[in-house]
Amino acid sequence: DGGITQSPKYLFRKEGQNVTLSCEQNLNHDAMYWYRQDPGQGLRLIYYSQIVNDFQKGDIAEGYSVSREKKESFPLTVTSAQKNPTAFYLCASSGIPGGGAIYNEQFFGPGTRLTVL
Amino acid sequence: RKEVEQDPGPFNVPEGATVAFNCTYSNSASQSFFWYRQDCRKEPKLLMSVYSSGNEDGRFTAQLNRASQYISLLIRDSKLSDSATYLCVVNEDGGSQGNLIFGKGTKLSVKP
Repeated sequence: DGGITQSPKYLFRKEGQNVTLSCEQNLNHDAMYWYRQDPGQGLRLIYYSQIVNDFQKGDIAEGYSVSREKKESFPLTVTSAQKNPTAFYLCASSGIPGGGAIYNEQFFGPGTRLTVL
Repeated sequence: RKEVEQDPGPFNVPEGATVAFNCTYSNSASQSFFWYRQDCRKEPKLLMSVYSSGNEDGRFTAQLNRASQYISLLIRDSKLSDSATYLCVVNEDGGSQGNLIFGKGTKLSVKP
């Protein structure tokens, strides 16, 4: 079964702690993305990576960090510097080699709900 | 930052109704357009890509008006299971690999 997995589904963190959210895909997609969604709000882009060992900041990168050591994996670390981390975090991937016009349709994992206590 | 605007709703309609959602985008260079569906507390799922000639998939029809920078989604014969939030999505720049900009979504509630 091809797809995107995120873990854990729910995560609770104490203030001042760093926490890492996992995202894995076996779709052979080149690009991966992290979004944050707050209630009643649209998705906001945190970081994205178009290729292994390279990533770019999105609109709200402050307080977050990522790595892309493998094509299949794009973990997101929420650091203690992130002032309001409680949110729904969504990972997505896109890009089918040779996919042409549908290259940037994005497919999402099930998300991680992070709550800071 | 380029914007995508949608009527937030909610749209409350009876089963069997036809409902239309509209979306406007600000970046005239955008080339890729999508509608996603998001159920409560779930991830967005791709509903349709929107092609310049318009396209239909069963009860769903998507249309694009580049001159007015406007996208629409029409749902015919609404089902209870269509209740969800519908997200209008546009790529940020003119390239095929541009990042996507998501609207805040339009909430649809189909009643018996």
